[in-house]
Amino acid sequence: GEDVEQSLFLSVREGDSSVINCTYTDSSSTYLYWYKQEPGAGLQLLTYIFSNMDMKQDQRLTVLLNKKDKHLSLRIADTQTGDSAIYFCAESGEDTDKLIFGTGTRLQVFP
Amino acid sequence: NAGVTQTPKFQVLKTGQSMTLQCAQDMNHNSMYWYRQDPGMGLRLIYYSASEGTTDKGEVPNGYNVSRLNKREFSLRLESAAPSQTSVYFCASRKGGVRNTEAFFGQGTRLTVV
Repeated sequence: GEDVEQSLFLSVREGDSSVINCTYTDSSSTYLYWYKQEPGAGLQLLTYIFSNMDMKQDQRLTVLLNKKDKHLSLRIADTQTGDSAIYFCAESGEDTDKLIFGTGTRLQVFP
Repeated sequence: NAGVTQTPKFQVLKTGQSMTLQCAQDMNHNSMYWYRQDPGMGLRLIYYSASEGTTDKGEVPNGYNVSRLNKREFSLRLESAAPSQTSVYFCASRKGGVRNTEAFFGQGTRLTVV
């Protein structure tokens, strides 16, 4: 079955770059997403990438996909205190509406 | 726009009691989802519904039932609550059909079973 794994915590200094990693097991994953959850709230989509791409950039966010290793990363440039949140990667396949999330990475940004 | 609305926001149940969590979306989405969020476990899919009249099991369906009442509403029922079902529950919806669409989430229901 599908399994999506992330490290639980990441702590970075304000102004540095953050890199959040994700590994998944389902080789049929076609769409991979990054969501952000702020305290006490639901999740919001940050960005997504198709499996036929290896990189996507969106302002301060860069997504890298290594399909061979089933590894996804999210880089946040110039990390700010407002970026402190839990970040989830998620995957879905071409032939299903099932949407599977990872364990989430709590990003803490300190001054 | 209301988006995805969940009720109630908080609930305390005694072991063995039953309850239904309600979810409604006003975005004309086809797909709806129920997740539970537990510390260190991330977001786990309980059930999902790709369209009105269909439901499918997710990763952790045991102890739950769902009903896709119509296109707008997708409810989650706990027939006999257990302490292991203490969690934060999220409902989500997305357009479906085209697979890369964004999922929209409700604000969550914090459930405690004592």
